[in-house]
Amino acid sequence: GAVVSQHPSWVICKSGTSVKIECRSLDFQATTMFWYRQFPKQSLMLMATSNEGSKATYEQGVEKDKFLINHASLTLSTLTVTSAHPEDSSFYICSARDQMSRSGANVLTFGAGSRLTVL
Amino acid sequence: AQTVTQSQPEMSVQEAETVTLSCTYDTSESDYYLFWYKQPPSRQMILVIRQEAYKQQNATENRFSVNFQKAAKSFSLKISDSQLGDAAMYFCAYRSALNMRFGAGTRLTVKP
Repeated sequence: GAVVSQHPSWVICKSGTSVKIECRSLDFQATTMFWYRQFPKQSLMLMATSNEGSKATYEQGVEKDKFLINHASLTLSTLTVTSAHPEDSSFYICSARDQMSRSGANVLTFGAGSRLTVL
Repeated sequence: AQTVTQSQPEMSVQEAETVTLSCTYDTSESDYYLFWYKQPPSRQMILVIRQEAYKQQNATENRFSVNFQKAAKSFSLKISDSQLGDAAMYFCAYRSALNMRFGAGTRLTVKP
């Protein structure tokens, strides 16, 4: 089945530094990937839709200059948290769908998530 | 705007019994999909079951089934013969061409 790999799974950084999180579709191509943020004991909040070869579409209230998204290939999207601050500490999850799959074209496969702690 | 509501923050079920998790949604779109995802302590989101809105027949997947009431915008999940491994957070999700929304989640506890 479709697999999405997310790296790193856990990262600690100092305030003011930037952190990059990668999301890879391992056995399928994804023209669209999605990035979410999840606070402890809360639901997933869609941050942005990452589009291969074009600009990401950000949800209302999400700072595009803070959360840079690059979807340079059909199997890789990256989320860069720029000038991170403690309030950016959270669990970030990506997802993608195998649009070529007849049975799974409308199913999202999720990465395992990345826990960011900003000191 | 599309919203997904899960009115049960927590539910508990005895092992081998049946439990139903509730979900309602609000939308003016006609073409959409509904999902139930499970998030165990590992936090990996796992697809449990999906339903295409244009299909009248309720989806089933082994011990998991849904009661999809399109007119009422209701999409409940029934877990039969509950197992200890079913314990997790369950999220109801709505997806269309333009939107992706999750409910607040229901924490399911399975008692041995």
